[in-house]
Amino acid sequence: GAVVSQHPSRVICKSGTSVKIECRSLDFQATTMFWYRQFPKQSLMLMATSNEGSKATYEQGVEKDKFLINHASLTLSTLTVTSAHPEDSSFYICSAPDRVEYTEAFFGQGTRLTVV
Amino acid sequence: TQLLEQSPQFLSIQEGENLTVYCNSSSVFSSLQWYRQEPGEGPVLLVTVVTGGEVKKLKRLTFQFGDARKDSSLHITAAQTGDTGLYLCAGAENTGFQKLVFGTGTRLLVSP
Repeated sequence: GAVVSQHPSRVICKSGTSVKIECRSLDFQATTMFWYRQFPKQSLMLMATSNEGSKATYEQGVEKDKFLINHASLTLSTLTVTSAHPEDSSFYICSAPDRVEYTEAFFGQGTRLTVV
Repeated sequence: TQLLEQSPQFLSIQEGENLTVYCNSSSVFSSLQWYRQEPGEGPVLLVTVVTGGEVKKLKRLTFQFGDARKDSSLHITAAQTGDTGLYLCAGAENTGFQKLVFGTGTRLLVSP
């Protein structure tokens, strides 16, 4: 099946710094990717939709200037957490659908971000 | 915002027991998916149901999509310790971009 690779799997950063998370579709092209955030023992909450060649679409309540999304190519989307704070510590997961007519989405392995 | 409520939130059972997890919404979805997630990993797709009333079986797991496409259930027969994990249902909105709304999650613990 299709594979989505996310990097890094874990990152610890200091408050005030920025962290970039990469999401790659390894064997298919993804014009759209999705970024989710998951707090401990909770479900996935959609943060934004990443669109290749255009601006990302953010969900209500998600600060676009804080969570910068760049869909640089048909196989790569990046999420940059800017000026990170401890409350940004979370599990970030990306997904990419490989077909338009079906609803199958493939998920990355996730990135555990800890801001100290 | 479409919401998917799962019940129960947490389930602790012995190996060999049967269980059912429910996923309910007041909204209609074009399709619904079930995932299992291990700690520190991304969700892994178990099944996609598309047609109202559809029933799919995956070994010991039986998935059902409600007739009105608003609810779904996951039934596990003779649970095993390897079934332990977080089970998530997710509904696909009719946007054409496979945008998923995730359920609140059910944490299952199967003890030997």
